[in-house]
Amino acid sequence: DAKTTQPTSMDCAEGRAANLPCNHSTISGNEYVYWYRQIHSQGPQYIIHGLKNNETNEMASLIITEDRKSSTLILPHATLRDTAVYYCIVRVRAGGFKTIFGAGTRLFVKA
Amino acid sequence: DGGITQSPKYLFRKEGQNVTLSCEQNLNHDAMYWYRQDPGQGLRLIYYSQIVNDFQKGDIAEGYSVSREKKESFPLTVTSAQKNPTAFYLCASSMSDRALGAFFGQGTRLTVV
Repeated sequence: DAKTTQPTSMDCAEGRAANLPCNHSTISGNEYVYWYRQIHSQGPQYIIHGLKNNETNEMASLIITEDRKSSTLILPHATLRDTAVYYCIVRVRAGGFKTIFGAGTRLFVKA
Repeated sequence: DGGITQSPKYLFRKEGQNVTLSCEQNLNHDAMYWYRQDPGQGLRLIYYSQIVNDFQKGDIAEGYSVSREKKESFPLTVTSAQKNPTAFYLCASSMSDRALGAFFGQGTRLTVV
């Protein structure tokens, strides 16, 4: 699975959009981009995934660049409860979840 | 409700003792995984199983053992050979052949004293 690079931490004001970037320049054509988040001392929670089209669900939007070398997770109206570590990972559709979770981005949402 | 359950949430053991962490899922997922997380770090893969009665080592399998006798269950044993067993342990499951992501349990925090 391809490696990803994320900023160590970010701040966001409550009610504003949080834009979390991720670089995955070595991504291959059959690899999906996944986003998870982990609130302190809990298991990671699935947020969203995509292949090449932009995706949106009730939690977030995922914007993937045309060359697929980077993506951005958007939380449209961040709340204090969105404070968490956000992980961007890439993996092929089949073959399990043997991927590596890096240190992620620690997002602080401030009142 | 469907989900993945880890027990116990907190576990204390004396050094030199083996300890088994439980992981059960009722999602009918084929694959199950064990990860270890140390403070401020990401997740590292210990073992994974794609199918019943089969499992493979992950990146940090030394000092750990697993079994997969049932589809629903994937217990992890932390043996006395694991040099630094104190950590947060996470179990996950997924459908191997789908793009859906893995579902995680709430973790077991193991402290060895």
